[in-house]
Amino acid sequence: AQTVTQSQPEMSVQEAETVTLSCTYDTSESDYYLFWYKQPPSRQMILVIRQEAYKQQNATENRFSVNFQKAAKSFSLKISDSQLGDAAMYFCAYRNTGNQFYFGTGTSLTVIP
Amino acid sequence: ETGVTQTPRHLVMGMTNKKSLKCEQHLGHNAMYWYKQSAKKPLELMFVYNFKEQTENNSVPSRFSPECPNSSHLFLHLHTLQPEDSALYLCASSPLRTLTAEQYFGPGTRLTVT
Repeated sequence: AQTVTQSQPEMSVQEAETVTLSCTYDTSESDYYLFWYKQPPSRQMILVIRQEAYKQQNATENRFSVNFQKAAKSFSLKISDSQLGDAAMYFCAYRNTGNQFYFGTGTSLTVIP
Repeated sequence: ETGVTQTPRHLVMGMTNKKSLKCEQHLGHNAMYWYKQSAKKPLELMFVYNFKEQTENNSVPSRFSPECPNSSHLFLHLHTLQPEDSALYLCASSPLRTLTAEQYFGPGTRLTVT
């Protein structure tokens, strides 16, 4: 089974600064999809950004971007110009072509005003 | 709001009780999922339904019983639970044929077993 590892249980960042959350995964498959989800306190989990494994170009969504290193099986999330509303749990997820999802343990991000 | 609703939002039940969790989506998705979220653990996938057919049961104890009467509704029937079953139970849905599509999550049901 695939495993997803988030080695940073907690991270903090000053407002307006940049922070990078790490994620690594283990798989023998060549075709898969990667996601970062955000779960604000007491609110629903929502998608932040996605990456198809066959695409070499790193995905970006406004202030959010990823550094996808397929050979290293690494998928980190960079948040630029951090805002107070970015404070949340962030989960890295892997989806295979069989529609199976695997999640990491999450990283709790605190944004310091 | 992401289009996936769950009821109740909070539930306290004794170990001998029987209760059900409900999930509803009107996004036109044909895959639905139950997850268990415990502190400091990865989300645990419990059940997957594709086109109302159960395709995944990750060694979940029989005290959890899913039901998917149609593609918009998903239930999780609970009976004789244990205190370690206390957790946040999340429902999610996704389009099945679009692998780049993400899952849409409900707000969860916070379950406490006493």
